Amino acid sequence: DIQMTQSPSSLSASVGDRVTITCQASQDIINYLNWYQQKPGKAPKLLIYDVSNLEAGVPSRFSGSGFGTDFTFTISSLQPEDIATYYCQHYDIFPITFGQGTRLEI
Amino acid sequence: QVQLVESGGGVVQPGRSLRLSCVASGFIFSEYAMHWVRQAPGKGLEWVAVIWYDGSNKYYLDSVKGRFAISRDNSKNTLFLQMNNLRADDTAVYYCARDVAAGGILRLDQWGQGTLVTVSS
Repeated sequence: DIQMTQSPSSLSASVGDRVTITCQASQDIINYLNWYQQKPGKAPKLLIYDVSNLEAGVPSRFSGSGFGTDFTFTISSLQPEDIATYYCQHYDIFPITFGQGTRLEI
Repeated sequence: QVQLVESGGGVVQPGRSLRLSCVASGFIFSEYAMHWVRQAPGKGLEWVAVIWYDGSNKYYLDSVKGRFAISRDNSKNTLFLQMNNLRADDTAVYYCARDVAAGGILRLDQWGQGTLVTVSS
């Protein structure tokens, strides 16, 4: 199975900060990587697909980059509503696996 | 608008069975692959199974192979997860989710609200 390792596991930041989360795959997944946001008590929500493509309706302060095994998720200016846990997910081969999550606090 | 509504969760003893359902609306259900993803209490997301748009292909997490079965009834816009021989580590909120692909895996763009399965004696 491909292991997805996110860093950090938790992060505290202030409104307006630039926030970066990294996700490392245990093997080359080319660009088969998505990012999800999960707010407490809610279902996950797709934010970014194929490394860097913003899902419709997602604010432009969210972005993603990377290729192969190393990927980055960025919030350019943190907003209060961004409090959530963020997950990377690959879809290169079965089983699909998610990172362990990064809990973002303000 | 797209809606996915899961049901069938509850408390069940180890070794027993449970069948989850997910009723879809707001889109042409028969044109999309569908997944089950679970989340144990306080833990991260774990993919469980996927079924192609026409039911022709199914894939499972190794730990549920032989115990869980994913299926769908396109005439009723419903996805199922038959869970047999349940174990304590199957305790989780189970989400159904839509893939943008019909056959294959791309991304899970719509999720239900989840149904909680608790396996306990």
